[in-house]
Amino acid sequence: EDQVTQSPEALRLQEGESSSLNCSYTVSGLRGLFWYRQDPGKGPEFLFTLYSAGEEKEKERLKATLTKKESFLHITAPKPEDSATYLCAVWGNTGKLIFGQGTTLQVKP
Amino acid sequence: NAGVMQNPRHLVRRRGQEARLRCSPVKGHSHVYWYRQLPEEGLKFMVYLQKENIIDESGMPKERFSAEFPKEGPSILRIQQVVRGDSAAYFCASSPRDSRGIGMNTEAFFGQGTRLTVV
Repeated sequence: EDQVTQSPEALRLQEGESSSLNCSYTVSGLRGLFWYRQDPGKGPEFLFTLYSAGEEKEKERLKATLTKKESFLHITAPKPEDSATYLCAVWGNTGKLIFGQGTTLQVKP
Repeated sequence: NAGVMQNPRHLVRRRGQEARLRCSPVKGHSHVYWYRQLPEEGLKFMVYLQKENIIDESGMPKERFSAEFPKEGPSILRIQQVVRGDSAAYFCASSPRDSRGIGMNTEAFFGQGTRLTVV
């Protein structure tokens, strides 16, 4: 059964304090790993898709990396507007996205 | 969120009533997915549809819940005889036809969701 575990559940950072969010997964036939950002009361906003181990993608202060067992979302010098819940999901042979519980990030000024 | 439209945004129903949630995918997208999100929980897969076909409904309760994606018009998630436990945010995602023929392309865009409250 495809499974995604995200850690930590919650993370508090000071503005400018870099850190990483973890997404560990087991999946039958990985076809892609997705990262989303979700603000309260809103739908998930697409950030990245990674397809194979070793792949990296960047967007502003965010950088996503992928290994055969986990993915990291690195946040460099975060700002308060980066505060949100970050969701990781895997897409495998089932053809559907399986989500983790998310990491709620709070960045204090 | 790249044009996926869900309505209504908020829906209040009394126990026993029917709830109909609508999802208009991004123009040109032929794949639709429905997810449910309970407070403080992650997104749980419910059903995956292509035009006029249900591909995977393994996440949908066997009773009271149904979904369709007709040739014309939006996808509909229908919940009959709602109970308080149905209260949640329901999200729809759409994806274009996958050139590799395996169901999902590089990006799946979500709508803003319908928040169902059963009183």
